[in-house]
Amino acid sequence: ETGVTQTPRHLVMGMTNKKSLKCEQHLGHNAMYWYKQSAKKPLELMFVYNFKEQTENNSVPSRFSPECPNSSHLFLHLHTLQPEDSALYLCASSRGTDRASYNSPLHFGNGTRLTVT
Amino acid sequence: EDKVVQSPLSLVVHEGDTVTLNCSYEVTNFRSLLWYKQEKKAPTFLFMLTSSGIEKKSGRLSSILDKKELFSILNITATQTGDSAVYLCAVSALDKIIFGKGTRLHILP
Repeated sequence: ETGVTQTPRHLVMGMTNKKSLKCEQHLGHNAMYWYKQSAKKPLELMFVYNFKEQTENNSVPSRFSPECPNSSHLFLHLHTLQPEDSALYLCASSRGTDRASYNSPLHFGNGTRLTVT
Repeated sequence: EDKVVQSPLSLVVHEGDTVTLNCSYEVTNFRSLLWYKQEKKAPTFLFMLTSSGIEKKSGRLSSILDKKELFSILNITATQTGDSAVYLCAVSALDKIIFGKGTRLHILP
């Protein structure tokens, strides 16, 4: 148990489907992140929320839509994905109230293995 | 362009061996360097280094940072099969975190 829980663990979806990934952290952190991990590539930061406010959106296609209703929950809504979006999607959280949040260790969830067919 | 380069990309050794993993970086507004271990799913935090020359230790693992030469090493002594994992290096800057591709370490029994 990492303190960061992601569901579902695995997801297979067609290109026309709409689905959502869920992340919940029980660590009292203020910052939450979505990362994409593809084979043989570094972890790619997608979105950052700091105190429920989105502070980063790293040129992510609009078919990925994040939602952060409170400091403990983070969602990633998916629609009309492409096969190249297949990857492990990792949620993470950390302490921090400002840009200093980047200087705190990340606590990761186990990820959702997404396959787009 | 900011970058974090890890080497080797993969490594296979026998149980009991000592390994050294490398991480070099070119990042503006450097704040800290972090090491993570990823076994199956969730990367887990190992060390955070902010000052040069100060070794951080945790059991058989240790790490040190050289801010002049812009690199860090992660040492694992007396390796065990449970050390098999991908080791990720990340550099925290003022407004970003940049990860390397990782080193895949496999320990043979």
